Amino acid sequence: DAGVTQSPTHLIKTRGQHVTLRCSPISGHKSVSWYQQVLGQGPQFIFQYYEKEERGRGNFPDRFSARQFPNYSSELNVNALLLGDSALYLCASSLDPGMSTGELFFGEGSRLTVL
Amino acid sequence: AQKVTQAQTEISVVEKEDVTLDCVYETRDTTYYLFWYKQPPSGELVFLIRRNSFDEQNEISGRYSWNFQKSTSSFNFTITASQVVDSAVYFCALRRDDKIIFGKGTRLHILP
Repeated sequence: DAGVTQSPTHLIKTRGQHVTLRCSPISGHKSVSWYQQVLGQGPQFIFQYYEKEERGRGNFPDRFSARQFPNYSSELNVNALLLGDSALYLCASSLDPGMSTGELFFGEGSRLTVL
Repeated sequence: AQKVTQAQTEISVVEKEDVTLDCVYETRDTTYYLFWYKQPPSGELVFLIRRNSFDEQNEISGRYSWNFQKSTSSFNFTITASQVVDSAVYFCALRRDDKIIFGKGTRLHILP
């Protein structure tokens, strides 16, 4: 069975540009979360979506936005990129937003470098 | 405040040695979940264990064991007879609402 898949795996952008990252959850999972992991730090929560509705948002500026599609896949968009946005962006899926199964299943991430 | 502290930034041990990774958490919730994740160089976070606040029983899974102590707000992870494949970054985490709060991680090097 396919796990959580993310694309692209690596990308390089320059300051001020825009980026879109994509995520496909595990089949049957309706909740998708996004995390940002800066080098040397633990992942930080950005968004959670469930049934196409935003369920939670972390402490990130409005330059960060996301959405979830009817097939439960998700996009993370970041506008006006800053050098500090360079990070590994991780997508995770779960059956439900409360993670009643106890697990978030993570993808391998999209590594964004902003020059 | 909800917080997870992993005081050990980096640990190196020789293969076959036992190693313990420390985790201290802070929460005001009476019901909460704690986790450990492993992050190999590929970047993917691999789930290792979940423990809820009502279950203080220690758990063993093969070479892995976990010691949960509410009295000291700690959830430590021990690898017995370490192997080179155990080399990775390990994260302790606390669930709050619908998100997980991660510690900064401990980078574990197992030397052959």
